[in-house]
Amino acid sequence: GAGVSQSPRYKVAKRGQDVALRCDPISGHVSLFWYQQALGQGPEFLTYFQNEAQLDKSGLPSDRFFAERPEGSVSTLKIQRTQQEDSAVYLCASSLDGQAAQPQHFGDGTRLSIL
Amino acid sequence: AQKVTQAQTEISVVEKEDVTLDCVYETRDTTYYLFWYKQPPSGELVFLIRRNSFDEQNEISGRYSWNFQKSTSSFNFTITASQVVDSAVYFCALSDNSNTGKLIFGQGTTLQVKP
Repeated sequence: GAGVSQSPRYKVAKRGQDVALRCDPISGHVSLFWYQQALGQGPEFLTYFQNEAQLDKSGLPSDRFFAERPEGSVSTLKIQRTQQEDSAVYLCASSLDGQAAQPQHFGDGTRLSIL
Repeated sequence: AQKVTQAQTEISVVEKEDVTLDCVYETRDTTYYLFWYKQPPSGELVFLIRRNSFDEQNEISGRYSWNFQKSTSSFNFTITASQVVDSAVYFCALSDNSNTGKLIFGQGTTLQVKP
C-alpha cells in the first residue's frame, strides 16, 4: 500500500532480550518520526530523522534505545536489554518534509510486550 | 513548556447526538500548528485537520467542525449527528515551529457512540 508500514505488528520478548522494530515510510517522505504510546496515553516523541540524519533524539528514554535510517528510507528502532517499562505501542510517522505545518502520517504501530 | 490538555477522558453518546471534544494548549511560540487525529481500534492514527496559529477561521468538513479560539488557547472539535463508526480515541496535538515539527499530544478522549 501507499501508507506507512510497520513490522512486526506484535512483538513479545523476555526481559533482557534485544528487539528491533521496522518502519517503512511513505515513498518520497523526507521526515521520519518515532513515538512511544503507553496504554491509555497519547503518543510521546522519541526521535526524528531528516533523510538519513538523526536530527533530534531528545525523546529517547535511555541509551538502550537506538534508531537508524541508513539510506534515508527504512528506519529501525532497536531496544537493547529490554525492561518491562518498555512495553508500549511504538508508532512510526512520516511527512513530506520536516516543517511544522506538514501533517504526519502514521503506521499501525508495533505493540511490544516485555515479559 | 508546551502542553496539550484534553480534560475529557471518556465520552459516551447515543447515535445522532452532537458531541464536542475539548482541547486546550499551552505554548510560548507565536507561530504554531494544531492537529486532530483519530485512532480507531486498529491503532493507526488518522489525520483529520491542521490549523495554523494565524488563521482563526472555523472549519467545517461534513459532520466535523473545528472551533479555534486563540484568546482561550482552545481548539475544540465537534461531531454533528454522531455515528457508531465515529467511536475511537481522538487526539489533539501541537507542533512547534522548530525544524523538527515533532508533535506534542494530549492524553486523548475516548468517544463511544452507542446505536
